[in-house]
Amino acid sequence: EAQVTQNPRYLITVTGKKLTVTCSQNMNHEYMSWYRQDPGLGLRQIYYSMNVEVTDKGDVPEGYKVSRKEKRNFPLILESPSPNQTSLYFCASSLSGTVRTEAFFGQGTRLTVV
Amino acid sequence: KQEVTQIPAALSVPEGENLVLNCSFTDSAIYNLQWFRQDPGKGLTSLLLIQSSQREQTSGRLNASLDKSSGRSTLYIAASQPGDSATYLCAVYNYGQNFVFGPGTRLSVLP
Repeated sequence: EAQVTQNPRYLITVTGKKLTVTCSQNMNHEYMSWYRQDPGLGLRQIYYSMNVEVTDKGDVPEGYKVSRKEKRNFPLILESPSPNQTSLYFCASSLSGTVRTEAFFGQGTRLTVV
Repeated sequence: KQEVTQIPAALSVPEGENLVLNCSFTDSAIYNLQWFRQDPGKGLTSLLLIQSSQREQTSGRLNASLDKSSGRSTLYIAASQPGDSATYLCAVYNYGQNFVFGPGTRLSVLP
């Protein structure tokens, strides 16, 4: 089954403790991206990647890192999480960043930073 | 900077009604526009994708239109059902290689 898989689905952590949210897709997609969703602010893009080893900042990149060492994986790293990063996070992929294709989303990761 | 708005913010209709959700965007330099459905606490499910060169797309009871020059898209839902209750999001894929989402329309279809 074609899908985007995020782990974990739920995470509670403390301020300053480094964490990684994993994202994997099995569709051989080139384009992957991360979003956060907050009440009243909607979905905002954090980082995106056009292909392996190519990443770029979205609208709200501060406090986040990403890497794209393999085509299928695009982990989101919070080096020193803070309470304002409490949010619902989504990973997405599409076939290509330049060809006009449909985006597929993971089920989300609900992160709480206390 | 691209901005996407959706009207109305919330909508409640009785079962069986036809309804229209609206999406507006400020920059017409887009590759495509995509409509999604999101159920509470869940991920996004793609409903329809309209390429910038297209005027509309249909899938079952759903029809989406795109007027790129005026920066508008509509999602038409025919014969609504309680199972259609969800938040509907539109997103544009910019030439700048990023997706920009609207805030969503929360739809409730009453039995």
